[in-house]
Amino acid sequence: DTGVSQDPRHKITKRGQNVTFRCDPISEHNRLYWYRQTLGQGPEFLTYFQNEAQLEKSRLLSDRFSAERPKGSFSTLEIQRTEQGDSAMYLCASSLETGLDGYTFGSGTRLTVV
Amino acid sequence: AQKVTQAQTEISVVEKEDVTLDCVYETRDTTYYLFWYKQPPSGELVFLIRRNSFDEQNEISGRYSWNFQKSTSSFNFTITASQVVDSAVYFCALSQKDGQNFVFGPGTRLSVLP
Repeated sequence: DTGVSQDPRHKITKRGQNVTFRCDPISEHNRLYWYRQTLGQGPEFLTYFQNEAQLEKSRLLSDRFSAERPKGSFSTLEIQRTEQGDSAMYLCASSLETGLDGYTFGSGTRLTVV
Repeated sequence: AQKVTQAQTEISVVEKEDVTLDCVYETRDTTYYLFWYKQPPSGELVFLIRRNSFDEQNEISGRYSWNFQKSTSSFNFTITASQVVDSAVYFCALSQKDGQNFVFGPGTRLSVLP
């Protein structure tokens, strides 16, 4: 296993379009997290899954955002009707159940909304 | 609410100097975990260390050392004999005892000049 993979690495989209990102976690990790990082800031929590169940969502996650992890493996994060304020790096991480050994992060998907 | 403060936005040092990155946290939990992550220019967050609130022993790993002081709610990170490859953004983070509610600080950008 080569770690957490995210696809695409970069996405440029026009305002109002929908975008979808994919994350493939480390196979034995049952927790998967989505974070958003804007320039000069630390990552901000968006949501997390334990297996296929979405257990927590941040208030940052507006109705335009939806995340799924249908089979408890890979996850997708969709943003509908993108806005310029959605421009950020979207980070995915995975961990064992307790998360206490630290999260393993992917390289992120950089979204630019023009 | 949990909060992590990293007062130093940017630090520049010359190679071989020692440098300390400060981290101050706030939490109402009696059991919690503290982390440091490194984010090099490539963008991927790299886990460096985890400490739990019951263990105030300082830790040393090669050129890295960590000073956890519960009395001042601080978890500072020192790099000894810094190298150019240490140039990165360093994040301090805090989580609850079960690994949830993982909160990052704003990060400190370290530049090590040759």
